[in-house]
Amino acid sequence: AQSVTQPDIHITVSEGASLELRCNYSYGATPYLFWYVQSPGQGLQLLLKYFSGDTLVQGIKGFEAEFKRSQSSFNLRKPSVHWSDAAEYFCAVEGGGSNYKLTFGKGTLLTVNP
Amino acid sequence: DADVTQTPRNRITKTGKRIMLECSQTKGHDRMYWYRQDPGLGLRLIYYSFDVKDINKGEISDGYSVSRQAQAKFSLSLESAIPNQTALYFCATSDHRWEQFFGPGTRLTVL
Repeated sequence: AQSVTQPDIHITVSEGASLELRCNYSYGATPYLFWYVQSPGQGLQLLLKYFSGDTLVQGIKGFEAEFKRSQSSFNLRKPSVHWSDAAEYFCAVEGGGSNYKLTFGKGTLLTVNP
Repeated sequence: DADVTQTPRNRITKTGKRIMLECSQTKGHDRMYWYRQDPGLGLRLIYYSFDVKDINKGEISDGYSVSRQAQAKFSLSLESAIPNQTALYFCATSDHRWEQFFGPGTRLTVL
């Protein structure tokens, strides 16, 4: 079964600094990969997704992620963080085939200092 | 109007009570899901349904049941609520492309 690891439980960055949130997955083939964001008191919103093709994917709110097969990683990046980016971020993997279910990581909480 | 709605948004109940959480969607998706979220544990899948006649258990289905009343409606029931079912519950929908769309969540407290 597939699994997702987000090694960082909590990250703090200063506004304007760059950001990278890590995600590693375990799956035998190329999975479908997703990043979701959950703002306080809200549901989850999709930031970006990778199915195939270009390994660098662009998402909403200025986020991007890079799929690296050799490292089984799908890290989320943003060049300059805004205070409104403070939220919890979840990486998720779908195994394809007849699976059709998402497995979520445990999340990374992002705090942005002014 | 929101595409995925959940009712109630907040509920406090007592141990042993029966509780139903409801989810409705206007996206026309066939697939619907129920998750629970606990601090530090992320989202865990309770049940999922790929159409009205298809119901499947997720990783933590014990103590829960579901009903898919129509393509647009998927309800989650706790037959006899217990305190460790206190959590934030999310409904989600998806089409064949697997991207899931989430409702706003129901915060359930079992005393």
